[in-house]
Amino acid sequence: EVQLLESGGGLVEPGGSLRLSCAASGFIFSHYDMRWVRQAPGKGLEWVSGISGSGDKTDHADSVKGRFTISRDNSKNTLYMQMNSLRAEDTAVYYCVKDFDYSLDYWGQGVLVTVSS
Amino acid sequence: AVMTQSPLSLPVTLGQPASISCRSSHSLVHSNGNTYLTWFQQRPGQSPRRLIYKVSNRDSGVPDRFSGSGSGTDFTLKISRVEAEDVGVYHCMQGTHWPFTFGPGTKVDIK
Repeated sequence: EVQLLESGGGLVEPGGSLRLSCAASGFIFSHYDMRWVRQAPGKGLEWVSGISGSGDKTDHADSVKGRFTISRDNSKNTLYMQMNSLRAEDTAVYYCVKDFDYSLDYWGQGVLVTVSS
Repeated sequence: AVMTQSPLSLPVTLGQPASISCRSSHSLVHSNGNTYLTWFQQRPGQSPRRLIYKVSNRDSGVPDRFSGSGSGTDFTLKISRVEAEDVGVYHCMQGTHWPFTFGPGTKVDIK
């Protein structure tokens, strides 16, 4: 059974940093691209970042480029998101999502990031 | 590609059919010939769950009352007979063009 378990969320002041983690199990982690998708309170879904299975290719939405960095450790089956220079508009539930064949087939339970003073 | 959905709110009667439209600003036919349109269900307080991929393929465990159809830029999710557990928000997503983009979501609730 595929499981994705996010951690690392919380309350942070504007300009602060957080590191999200996602522990994956139930599939061969290194074989799949992974993504972070977020959902602001009461809003729709927004793709944030993606990374190839080997970790050699990454991409980020323009809204977070230069502030967020996605990475992975395939030896630990873990996906990461380093979030710097956080803004109020980054407040959202962040989901770790498995990518397969131009779709997103498994989602974690999500972790809440709140940026507020 | 910009994704739109209609309606944004859909009150339904239990046992009656429901239909949600999803439209893309660009054709979703990939150069490989596939069309990467996905539907997700998000029940209240839960994370999204994939229902349908590549327009009309149901995921394992998804009831057959859910069906997807469409082509090019216009797609539809149909629920043949709505049950109480179908309440939630339904999102469409395109995976053909970088980056993946989502529709705004359609909230389905019971009249």
